[in-house]
Amino acid sequence: EAQVTQNPRYLITVTGKKLTVTCSQNMNHEYMSWYRQDPGLGLRQIYYSMNVEVTDKGDVPEGYKVSRKEKRNFPLILESPSPNQTSLYFCASSPEGDPGNTIYFGEGSWLTVV
Amino acid sequence: AQSVTQPDIHITVSEGASLELRCNYSYGATPYLFWYVQSPGQGLQLLLKYFSGDTLVQGIKGFEAEFKRSQSSFNLRKPSVHWSDAAEYFCAVGTSGTYKYIFGTGTRLKVLA
Repeated sequence: EAQVTQNPRYLITVTGKKLTVTCSQNMNHEYMSWYRQDPGLGLRQIYYSMNVEVTDKGDVPEGYKVSRKEKRNFPLILESPSPNQTSLYFCASSPEGDPGNTIYFGEGSWLTVV
Repeated sequence: AQSVTQPDIHITVSEGASLELRCNYSYGATPYLFWYVQSPGQGLQLLLKYFSGDTLVQGIKGFEAEFKRSQSSFNLRKPSVHWSDAAEYFCAVGTSGTYKYIFGTGTRLKVLA
């Protein structure tokens, strides 16, 4: 089954404790991205990747890092989480970066930073 | 700058009634336009998309949307709403050349039995 898988789905962590949210897709997609969803703000893009070793900032990259060492994986790293990073995070992928392509979303990761 | 506006935060309709969710965009060229639905606890699922051709687009679950360039709108419609349509709906714009997607703030739909 074609899917985008995120882990963990739910996490409560403390300020400053580094964490990684993993994302994996099994569709051989070139394009992957991370979004955060906050009430009243919709989805905002954090980072995206056009292919292996090619990443770029989205609209809200501050406080996040990403890497794309393999085509299927695109982890989101919070080096020193802060409470304002409490949010619902979505990983997504599409065949290419062409904006006409359909985006496939993971089920989301609820992150709470206390 | 590109933007997407969904003016209705919440909409409540009765089951069987018609539905129209509004979406307005700001973009210099012809945009790639999408509607996604998010059911509680789920990721986003594509309902339909438009980037050229017929301005009336049919999607899944009986939804359709019409692109109106003169109004910079891409409103989502359904002639008869079912209780299972209760969800949050997002309009999005894909911007060529930047490989970014801009989402609206969403419209939460409640369906009354």
